[in-house]
Amino acid sequence: AQSVAQPEDQVNVAEGNPLTVKCTYSVSGNPYLFWYVQYPNRGLQFLLKYITGDNLVKGSYGFEAEFNKSQTSFHLKKPSALVSDSALYFCAVSGLFSGGYNKLIFGAGTRLAVHP
Amino acid sequence: GAVVSQHPSRVICKSGTSVKIECRSLDFQATTMFWYRQFPKQSLMLMATSNEGSKATYEQGVEKDKFLINHASLTLSTLTVTSAHPEDSSFYICSARDPRVFGEKLFFGSGTQLSVL
Repeated sequence: AQSVAQPEDQVNVAEGNPLTVKCTYSVSGNPYLFWYVQYPNRGLQFLLKYITGDNLVKGSYGFEAEFNKSQTSFHLKKPSALVSDSALYFCAVSGLFSGGYNKLIFGAGTRLAVHP
Repeated sequence: GAVVSQHPSRVICKSGTSVKIECRSLDFQATTMFWYRQFPKQSLMLMATSNEGSKATYEQGVEKDKFLINHASLTLSTLTVTSAHPEDSSFYICSARDPRVFGEKLFFGSGTQLSVL
């Protein structure tokens, strides 16, 4: 079955330090991978996606993610965290399964807390 | 970028009443919209896929008579929670895919917090 795992419920990091939010996936075939961010009582905002090509993907607000096929991972990273990055982050995967490309399967989410 | 508007942002209703949530694509035509539900501290769960001009496709375990979806135009999909009960209290989010954007990127509404008393 297709699935997305975000092993950490919460990640704490000091402002200015690098951050990593982990994501692993399990799908058949080639996945489309996404990161979304959610602020309190708000909808999701798109950060970045991997479809094909360069394994390192750069997205909004200075975030980037690296697709690692052998480890089936797509970890989200940022070189220097800001307090304003504190939010809930979701990893998601889409692909040729469960009826078509249009469905996204989301991970459980990881809450990022950046401390001043 | 594409914008998806969702209304209302918050609604409180009495048990047994029905609540309608609207999802609009403001600057693009969305033949397909998606409705998700999110419980506190949990991930988004796809409830149904809304197709313009045809019946919605519901995920397993989602009651179609409970959650009525209408996609009457290329820019509007509605979700009606019928005879709401406290267990229906949740955060509902719609999304749409902009066909002009390659790569299955979805645009999300800001969500509706439903509280059933």
